Amino acid sequence: SQQGEEDPQALSIQEGENATMNCSYKTSINNLQWYRQNSGRGLVHLILIRSNEREKHSGRLRVTLDTSKKSSSLLITASRAADTASYFCATDADSNYQLIWGAGTKLIIKP
Amino acid sequence: DAGVTQSPTHLIKTRGQQVTLRCSPKSGHDTVSWYQQALGQGPQFIFQYYEEEERQRGNFPDRFSGHQFPNYSSELNVNALLLGDSALYLCASSLVSVREETQYFGPGTRLLVL
Repeated sequence: SQQGEEDPQALSIQEGENATMNCSYKTSINNLQWYRQNSGRGLVHLILIRSNEREKHSGRLRVTLDTSKKSSSLLITASRAADTASYFCATDADSNYQLIWGAGTKLIIKP
Repeated sequence: DAGVTQSPTHLIKTRGQQVTLRCSPKSGHDTVSWYQQALGQGPQFIFQYYEEEERQRGNFPDRFSGHQFPNYSSELNVNALLLGDSALYLCASSLVSVREETQYFGPGTRLLVL
């Protein structure tokens, strides 16, 4: 079974616009990570946010975490065609070694 | 510095056959995790290997087994293949001493069972 659920399942926006994706999870976590996957190939790590952090930035990425609501959001600003991919959240639960994943958001950036 | 590599990239098998997939971790990493990703789904954790032992296992049957070698590379074996085993199999490596365990993924092996 999957821990996280991403919302929306698919998102199509114009190049230059901002894209926001949300992730909800079920159990307590040690950290939450966002990954990108192009064309069903390997996953690329984007950003990690710890359970005691509320917001984190990396370049055009902004991640927030609300542990009371068990949710996170990923904002990509000034989107580019190269951002077209599927985005997944994955949680690392306390005293556990496995990452548990959501089903992903498919992002399409239209030129 | 080589990243995570996997072989083969694609594989076609028939039901009932056995398959072995291989993974070499990123240089300096000592932990290997395997994931199964069905089309349109997120990855599902199969198991993780550290110090040549299975450290954690997901909800997969015993038909799925693995091995880690002294050089930290790893194999995933699947016996008695079923049609439902068709998926992208991803290997990820990490460093156990880094608790946050950011994982680095290989390109995957796409398995088709006919």
